[in-house]
Amino acid sequence: AQSVSQHNHHVILSEAASLELGCNYSYGGTVNLFWYVQYPGQHLQLLLKYFSGDPLVKGIKGFEAEFIKSKFSFNLRKPSVQWSDTAEYFCAVNPNTNAGKSTFGDGTTLTVKP
Amino acid sequence: EPEVTQTPSHQVTQMGQEVILHCVPISNHLYFYWYRQILGQKVEFLVSFYNNEISEKSEIFDDQFSVERPDGSNFTLKIRSTKLEDSAMYFCASSGERNGSPLHFGNGTRLTVT
Repeated sequence: AQSVSQHNHHVILSEAASLELGCNYSYGGTVNLFWYVQYPGQHLQLLLKYFSGDPLVKGIKGFEAEFIKSKFSFNLRKPSVQWSDTAEYFCAVNPNTNAGKSTFGDGTTLTVKP
Repeated sequence: EPEVTQTPSHQVTQMGQEVILHCVPISNHLYFYWYRQILGQKVEFLVSFYNNEISEKSEIFDDQFSVERPDGSNFTLKIRSTKLEDSAMYFCASSGERNGSPLHFGNGTRLTVT
């Protein structure tokens, strides 16, 4: 069974600071990787996804993530955060054979101070 | 952009009562899912549904749970006899394809069992 580990439970940054949220997964086969964001009071939304190809993927709102296969990692980055990025961020993985059974990490709460 | 809609947003019920959570997935999607998130814990897979039958379910999805797509647009989750530990946020999701398609989530229904 796959598992996902997010290293940071709560990150507090000032506006314009750079962000990196860690995500590691364990699974022996090919996986699809996702980052979802949940803004306060809203539903989970897809930020970006990796299926294959270029390991550096760009998502919405200036976010990007890099898949490093040798490290089983898919870290989320943003060069300069804004107050509106305050949200909870979830890394998720599913094996390439079953899109439905996504396994989520515990989530990281990001608080950006104005 | 089409959305997954869930009703009600908050449901309070007494232990032992039956509840039905409602979801309207995105209209051209074929795969439907329920996830839940107990407060402070990770998002957990409950069940996936395709072609009018359950395609996969987790160990959480025991005999107390059932899903139905009664009319081609709604997708419901029924909990037959609620327990205190069923209190959680329940998320419905849908996707268009099986392999690697990202999930589109609804806003969730907060279920409180008293």
